[in-house]
Amino acid sequence: EAQLVESGGGLVQPGGSLRLSCAASGFTFSSYSMNWVRQAPGKGLEWISYITSTSSIIYYADSVKGRFTISRDNAKNSLYLHLNNLRVEDTAVYYCARGGGRWQHDYWGQGTLVTVSS
Amino acid sequence: QSVLTQPPSVSGAPGQRVIISCTGSRSNIGAGYDVHWYQQLPGTAPKLLIYSNNIRAPGVPDRFSGSKSGTSASLAITGLQAEDEADYYCQSHDSSLSGWVFGGGTKLTVL
Repeated sequence: EAQLVESGGGLVQPGGSLRLSCAASGFTFSSYSMNWVRQAPGKGLEWISYITSTSSIIYYADSVKGRFTISRDNAKNSLYLHLNNLRVEDTAVYYCARGGGRWQHDYWGQGTLVTVSS
Repeated sequence: QSVLTQPPSVSGAPGQRVIISCTGSRSNIGAGYDVHWYQQLPGTAPKLLIYSNNIRAPGVPDRFSGSKSGTSASLAITGLQAEDEADYYCQSHDSSLSGWVFGGGTKLTVL
């Protein structure tokens, strides 16, 4: 079965940077689009970025556009999210999720917590 | 303020039926984009429940069903069980935002 494992979260100061990783296994990673979704403490889900299987199409939510960069390495079965110029309101659990054929998020990782605080 | 609107909470007794609504607009649900539903049990990652409006994900019991009409969608849960107590989220694609949007989430309490 498909498995996604995020890593790279932690405590960072406002204005700082971080790189999140998502290791995929149990499926042909290079055949699927991928997403990042975040959830602030006690809040709902917020989609933040999407990348196609070949990295040819990338989308971002307005809240992170220009600050976050999504990328992938199909040879390493890995998805990444580079977070720059972090703000306090970026504090959240960040999930990677596989994109299904009808754009559903069919498999999710367990999440990694990013805390932005001075 | 979420692009898709869900009631903050619903409740029901064991064995009863509850419905969770999800209201969008002409740029998302009304544009014909599929609606998907996710269940998030306390302290865990979300899990796909229903996709493409009314298709149950593998392993999801038939007590869960989805429907869509116009700019709205709904998730129905029959024969409520204590284990159904969770947060439920709807999701769709939005053409004006060039991305995906979630509802604000609905907390289901089994009385």
